[in-house]
Amino acid sequence: KAGVTQTPRYLIKTRGQQVTLSCSPISGHRSVSWYQQTPGQGLQFLFEYFSETQRNKGNFPGRFSGRQFSNSRSEMNVSTLELGDSALYLCASSLGFTGQPNSPLHFGNGTRLTVT
Amino acid sequence: AQSVTQLDSHVSVSEGTPVLLRCNYSSSYSPSLFWYVQHPNKGLQLLLKYTSAATLVKGINGFEAEFKKSETSFHLTKPSAHMSDAAEYFCVVSRGNAGNMLTFGGGTRLMVKP
Repeated sequence: KAGVTQTPRYLIKTRGQQVTLSCSPISGHRSVSWYQQTPGQGLQFLFEYFSETQRNKGNFPGRFSGRQFSNSRSEMNVSTLELGDSALYLCASSLGFTGQPNSPLHFGNGTRLTVT
Repeated sequence: AQSVTQLDSHVSVSEGTPVLLRCNYSSSYSPSLFWYVQHPNKGLQLLLKYTSAATLVKGINGFEAEFKKSETSFHLTKPSAHMSDAAEYFCVVSRGNAGNMLTFGGGTRLMVKP
């Protein structure tokens, strides 16, 4: 079974631009969640989608948005990029709701975004 | 509210010696607890999970963790370190069976010396 696939692996953007990251979950998984990882802040939860509905949202500004399609694939978008948005963005999928003990997260390898 | 504290940001051991990575949590609910490992430029991989069925949990690659409610701890151990264990490890808590946002610890970077 294919794992979680994130594209692209690397991105370089300039301040003020916008970016879209893509995530394809494991087949059959209905939950997709997104995390931002930086050396200073560690792993921070962005949002979770389940069956095309946003179920939970972390404490990030409105410039960060996401969506999930009917095939469970998900995209996240960051508008008006800032230098501080440089990070590794990780997507994870699970069979059921995120955090349920019998529904552990399976992570992709991430998209490394550099904002210059 | 819930939180996770990984007590050591870096741990260094020699190959073949035991590994102990410490994690304390706080949760208002019966927690589910997980350990994940992250190798450089990779995503996180699940090592093991605690789901209240047994306090001693066995995971992949010879790792174990023991849930101690009285100490609110969930330390990760391995009897004998291997070079391939060098990575960053994350202790994670979620709110029991409710299925909710995960809270990640700050991570412990494990270095293994030959």
